[in-house]
Amino acid sequence: AQSVAQPEDQVNVAEGNPLTVKCTYSVSGNPYLFWYVQYPNRGLQFLLKYITGDNLVKGSYGFEAEFNKSQTSFHLKKPSALVSDSALYFCAVEKRGSQGNLIFGKGTKLSVKP
Amino acid sequence: GAGVSQSPSNKVTEKGKDVELRCDPISGHTALYWYRQSLGQGLEFLIYFQGNSAPDKSGLPSDRFSAERTGGSVSTLTIQRTQQEDSAVYLCASSLELAGYTDTQYFGPGTRLTVL
Repeated sequence: AQSVAQPEDQVNVAEGNPLTVKCTYSVSGNPYLFWYVQYPNRGLQFLLKYITGDNLVKGSYGFEAEFNKSQTSFHLKKPSALVSDSALYFCAVEKRGSQGNLIFGKGTKLSVKP
Repeated sequence: GAGVSQSPSNKVTEKGKDVELRCDPISGHTALYWYRQSLGQGLEFLIYFQGNSAPDKSGLPSDRFSAERTGGSVSTLTIQRTQQEDSAVYLCASSLELAGYTDTQYFGPGTRLTVL
């Protein structure tokens, strides 16, 4: 079965420090992978996606993610965290054979302290 | 340009009543999706409209749920005889259609449904 796992419910990091939010996936064939962010009482905002090509994908707000096929991972990273990055982050994979159906991880709450 | 809009933003209803949730996609986006976000289940896919093709209804949890899309634009999600477990945030998204894979889905702010 196709699935996405975000092993950490919460990640705490100090402002200015690098951050990583982890995501692993299980899907047959080549995956299409996405990261979304959700601020309180808001909808999901697209951050970045991997479809093909360069394994390092750069997205909005200084975020990037690295696709690692051997480890089936797509971790989200940022070199220097901001307090305003505090939000809920979702990793998603497109379900094969069902174009348009995104399978989401359970989300990771990122808390950046000053 | 304008993003995906949803109405109402909040809906409180009594158990057993029917509700309709509306979604206006981004202009020019031919694909439209409904998801449900709840504490216990996370984000769940409900239904997907792609152009003129038959919708993918594989995520609808019961026959009390239905959705339609008129004129290839606005969509309405209807829940009949609401139950307390239907309480959730209902999110709509839209995207362009590209051959072979899903283009980026852009989400609306959601409708928070509370069933008393």
